[in-house]
Amino acid sequence: GESVGLHLPTLSVQEGDNSIINCAYSNSASDYFIWYKQESGKGPQFIIDIRSNMDKRQGQRVTVLLNKTVKHLSLQIAATQPGDSAVYFCAEGANSKLTFGKGITLSVRP
Amino acid sequence: GAVVSQHPSWVICKSGTSVKIECRSLDFQATTMFWYRQFPKQSLMLMATSNEGSKATYEQGVEKDKFLINHASLTLSTLTVTSAHPEDSSFYICSASTEETQYFGPGTRLLVL
Repeated sequence: GESVGLHLPTLSVQEGDNSIINCAYSNSASDYFIWYKQESGKGPQFIIDIRSNMDKRQGQRVTVLLNKTVKHLSLQIAATQPGDSAVYFCAEGANSKLTFGKGITLSVRP
Repeated sequence: GAVVSQHPSWVICKSGTSVKIECRSLDFQATTMFWYRQFPKQSLMLMATSNEGSKATYEQGVEKDKFLINHASLTLSTLTVTSAHPEDSSFYICSASTEETQYFGPGTRLLVL
């Protein structure tokens, strides 16, 4: 079936460096994609989204890139901070429903 | 804006009892709300889609008679776990949609003894 997956289960970065979290999706019918951040014991927090007719979108310290040719989504975090440590999920949306990837843990080293 | 609340934030109950979880969109109206379940170190799994004024649509494998969903207004959806058992212990999360983006509640941790 269709699935959304992440390439790496964990990512460790030095504070101040840039982080890149990657995600592969397989449902070509998905028309929007969302990145969420989830801290321990809390609900997912919206970070940024992108529609399928775009290939890049920037927010505050974050950038999402979409490559529909290879069905790849990435989240870039600039100047990673300790507060960025969390689990990150990509989710693809189609027909108002979201399918979540498995999640990747971002750990920021001081 | 786009704040979603859940109540209670955690609940402990005895096996066989029923538990009701509320999900509210505080500053917007949501015609559609979603209920998810999340086990430790796993991703979110969609349980059902709740539409205001109509019956919920359940995902495959989710028992509708066990997980009762009511969406009485544009700002409130409830999930009732009936006759809860220890295997129902989990983190239950709701979300409310504004156009295509979903905003999530803080989650409710359920522990069934």
